[in-house]
Amino acid sequence: NAGVMQNPRHLVRRRGQEARLRCSPMKGHSHVYWYRQLPEEGLKFMVYLQKENIIDESGMPKERFSAEFPKEGPSILRIQQVVRGDSAAYFCASSPGQGASPLHFGNGTRLTVT
Amino acid sequence: KNEVEQSPQNLTAQEGEFITINCSYSVGISALHWLQQHPGGGIVSLFMLSSGKKKHGRLIATINIQEKHSSLHITASHPRDSAVYICAVRDMEYGNKLVFGAGTILRVKS
Repeated sequence: NAGVMQNPRHLVRRRGQEARLRCSPMKGHSHVYWYRQLPEEGLKFMVYLQKENIIDESGMPKERFSAEFPKEGPSILRIQQVVRGDSAAYFCASSPGQGASPLHFGNGTRLTVT
Repeated sequence: KNEVEQSPQNLTAQEGEFITINCSYSVGISALHWLQQHPGGGIVSLFMLSSGKKKHGRLIATINIQEKHSSLHITASHPRDSAVYICAVRDMEYGNKLVFGAGTILRVKS
């Protein structure tokens, strides 16, 4: 049973380009969470999704960031017109339910904006 | 004041020592997670607690709901335990979000 799969592991983008980060949850998990870890900072919640629905996006920057979790395929975190301040590690986690359910994390995508 | 406070921020131990990392929180929670992160690596969930005590190998996690405090203990520490240990709570008022502590950087010397 594969764990949470994130790709790519490392992503380099120039300022102004788009970044697409993918997350495939564990089999049977329908809840996906995205977290961001800025350099030298702790993890911060970004968005919580269930299949085809955004449940809570209160941690997402208001502009340039979007997330989806389609009926088929992985969850996608999309960052348009990246800036240097977007350089961070982005982690995805999945769980079988909401609330006090076990969480399983992916290995993260390290985004570097040059 | 942060909702989740960890101590110490940094910890250096000799191999074999007993290690304790503390976590205090200020909100009502539905669960508390202890996570491990190796440098440049992914995040591994060690424990999820809502009451009492859990043990897995050399790791023990306890939680006192009344005192809003949790501890992570490592017995017979080993250099491979060197990592960042992160406490995270599910805030009951915002049940979908994890709120993270800043992490404790542990280095175990041989």
